[in-house]
Amino acid sequence: EAGVAQSPRYKIIEKRQSVAFWCNPISGHATLYWYQQILGQGPKLLIQFQNNGVVDDSQLPKDRFSAERLKGVDSTLKIQPAKLEDSAVYLCASSPRTGLKQFFGPGTRLTVL
Amino acid sequence: GQQVMQIPQYQHVQEGEDFTTYCNSSTTLSNIQWYKQRPGGHPVFLIQLVKSGEVKKQKRLTFQFGEAKKNSSLHITATQTTDVGTYFCADNTGNQFYFGTGTSLTVIP
Repeated sequence: EAGVAQSPRYKIIEKRQSVAFWCNPISGHATLYWYQQILGQGPKLLIQFQNNGVVDDSQLPKDRFSAERLKGVDSTLKIQPAKLEDSAVYLCASSPRTGLKQFFGPGTRLTVL
Repeated sequence: GQQVMQIPQYQHVQEGEDFTTYCNSSTTLSNIQWYKQRPGGHPVFLIQLVKSGEVKKQKRLTFQFGEAKKNSSLHITATQTTDVGTYFCADNTGNQFYFGTGTSLTVIP
């Protein structure tokens, strides 16, 4: 069974630039999560989708971050414009439904200079 | 917002020694999940605890959920070098997932 796929694996940008991350969850998983993990900290949930609807985005900085899951399958997370403090690993996870164990992708390591 | 604290933050043990990490919350937890993240890797699910006082075992790992559902622990018996990594608890309350601060385990051969 294929795992959660993410791309790119690494990205380096200048502050104020834009960046987008892509995630393809495990086939059939209804729930998709985006997390931000700053070095030395636990993952912080940014947004949770159930199919193509947003379940929770209370910790998403909506002035600069946006995410979509238009067809209820893959998802994109965008940052526009990026700030230095956005440097982190962005993890995507999926689960068959909310509350069950999550399967994480390898993450995208973002460096903002 | 919800905060799930873990102690200790770091732990160094000799191979063969036991290890325990504790997860504490000021509010009642709905259920708790435990994940392991190897250095440079991504979190990998270990177990989910739902019931008050629940104890589950996976080989050398023992997981407990407190009677009041405000704390949980992970105990590893006779650590091995393959146990190296950061162990996170995660609170699943409502639609939110709150990961703990993590305990980084180093095993000295």
